[in-house]
Amino acid sequence: KQEVTQIPAALSVPEGENLVLNCSFTDSAIYNLQWFRQDPGKGLTSLLLIQSSQREQTSGRLNASLDKSSGRSTLYIAASQPGDSATYLCAVIIQGAQKLVFGQGTRLTINP
Amino acid sequence: GAVVSQHPSRVICKSGTSVKIECRSLDFQATTMFWYRQFPKKSLMLMATSNEGSKATYEQGVEKDKFLINHASLTLSTLTVTSAHPEDSSFYICSANQGESYYGYTFGSGTRLTVV
Repeated sequence: KQEVTQIPAALSVPEGENLVLNCSFTDSAIYNLQWFRQDPGKGLTSLLLIQSSQREQTSGRLNASLDKSSGRSTLYIAASQPGDSATYLCAVIIQGAQKLVFGQGTRLTINP
Repeated sequence: GAVVSQHPSRVICKSGTSVKIECRSLDFQATTMFWYRQFPKKSLMLMATSNEGSKATYEQGVEKDKFLINHASLTLSTLTVTSAHPEDSSFYICSANQGESYYGYTFGSGTRLTVV
């Protein structure tokens, strides 16, 4: 059974810092991995999608990497801003299935 | 980009009544949609997979008679919470993909259901 773990559960940093959020999964037979952002009381916004054949994806100040063999993905946020405060969720899609398996999320707070 | 619209965003209902939540794919056809439930400060729990033109597939432990799902068209899936009770109060979110998992998943904005 695929399990996804995100560390840390919560993170608070001052504005301007670069930071890394971690995601690990137990079964390397994934189809792709997706990082989402969720603001309080809102739905999920897709940030980055990495196919299983890819090693990383970038969008603006965000960079996500994928190491399938070790079952890990990281989300790198450069020059953090207070507007980046949210919960960040990673999710994997298992090969042969359509379901997303989510981690528990990292609650990020960027302090001005 | 793919957009999923969910309505209503908030609903308050009395115990014993039923509530319908709509999930629409606005710019693509979705043969499959997914319904999630989220408890406060928790991650998403998949409730069921909605298949256009056929019965939904429910996850273990989800009461299919309480959470009725209808996927009557390629752009619309509905979740009806029947005979709602206070313990059904939660945040419900739907999602869809553009035909296959390759394109990733798009989520609706969620519905906050409060049963009083």
